[in-house]
Amino acid sequence: EAGVAQSPRYKIIEKRQSVAFWCNPISGHATLYWYQQILGQGPKLLIQFQNNGVVDDSQLPKDRFSAERLKGVDSTLKIQPAKLEDSAVYLCASSLTGPNTIYFGEGSWLTVV
Amino acid sequence: GENVEQHPSTLSVQEGDSAVIKCTYSDSASNYFPWYKQELGKGPQLIIDIRSNVGEKKDQRIAVTLNKTAKHFSLHITETQPEDSAVYFCAAQGGGSEKLVFGKGMKLTVNP
Repeated sequence: EAGVAQSPRYKIIEKRQSVAFWCNPISGHATLYWYQQILGQGPKLLIQFQNNGVVDDSQLPKDRFSAERLKGVDSTLKIQPAKLEDSAVYLCASSLTGPNTIYFGEGSWLTVV
Repeated sequence: GENVEQHPSTLSVQEGDSAVIKCTYSDSASNYFPWYKQELGKGPQLIIDIRSNVGEKKDQRIAVTLNKTAKHFSLHITETQPEDSAVYFCAAQGGGSEKLVFGKGMKLTVNP
């Protein structure tokens, strides 16, 4: 079974530029999550989708971050404009509906200079 | 909301020794407690989990214990090997939310 796929793996941008990350969850997983992991810390949830609807985006900085999952499968996370403090690993994860095991992708490493 | 505390932040052991990582949580409604291992440059990988109706679970060299009354849970690794070197995260989920709240992680180094 294929895991959670993410791209790009690495991205370096200048502050105030924009960046987008893509995620393809495990087939059949209705729930998709985007987590932000700053170096030396645990992952922090940014947004959770159930199919194509948002379940929780309470910790998403909505002035600069946006995410969508239009067809209930793939998802994109966008940052515009980027700040230095956005440098982090952006982890996509997925799970079956309900409290089930959450599987993570390898992450997209963002460096803002 | 839920808050998960994890300690110690680093641990260095000799190969063959045991390692214990402890976590506490704040929300008594949390009912699912997974442990993830993260190697450098990779995403977190689930290694073991426990639900609130179970006090202990074991899988080969790894075991997890849960004390609901005290709101803490621990990961035990026996006969450590160099390939166990990684960052380990505990997390808690429940209370009506599917959101996983993570601890800050513990870097384990197993010296040959």
